Amino acid sequence: DVKVTQSSRYLVKRTGEKVFLECVQDMDHENMFWYRQDPGLGLRLIYFSYDVKMKEKGDIPEGYSVSREKKERFSLILESASTNQTSMYLCASSGGGGSNQPQHFGDGTRLSIL
Amino acid sequence: QQQVKQSPQSLIVQKGGIPIINCAYENTAFDYFPWYQQFPGKGPALLIAIRPDVSEKKEGRFTISFNKSAKQFSLHIMDSQPGDSATYFCAAERGGSEKLVFGKGTKLTVNP
Repeated sequence: DVKVTQSSRYLVKRTGEKVFLECVQDMDHENMFWYRQDPGLGLRLIYFSYDVKMKEKGDIPEGYSVSREKKERFSLILESASTNQTSMYLCASSGGGGSNQPQHFGDGTRLSIL
Repeated sequence: QQQVKQSPQSLIVQKGGIPIINCAYENTAFDYFPWYQQFPGKGPALLIAIRPDVSEKKEGRFTISFNKSAKQFSLHIMDSQPGDSATYFCAAERGGSEKLVFGKGTKLTVNP
């Protein structure tokens, strides 16, 4: 089974801090994704990476950056955290190499910015 | 701009009922339509998916109906069980993009 592991289930940070969310997948997947999930808004794509060191903005990239130095690891960075970034963050991976590949999700990091 | 519209937002049925969740889209470039199921405290997991060259796909108690001309698709859960209580998301992928656009989700409660 594919396993996508997010380093923290819960995280509390302060406004203005630099925050790192880490995600690791164990299936040698090409693609990795970061989403945020908010009640009534569904899942919204923040950033997408289709290869090491490659990234593409999603629908809501403002205030976020990402890093993918190794194939299995994809990091989401909040450069200067703000209260409106309090949310559930979900990481996912997929096999790549064409369309219609299922995305496999981690169990999420619930981030609170105080 | 909401590219995939999902309804209803919440749904309560009795055990054995047939909940139906509907989704609509505008972009005719979408060519893959998966449904994801999410239990509390867990990430979403792929439940069933369909391509627009078929009008229906069934896997166990879960069925997707697809109406290409109306640009609508729906999830039916036959003989629903309390264990089906979860949040369901429809999604769509534009051919070759490898990215999904999600609906806003439907919270389903199946009462015993």
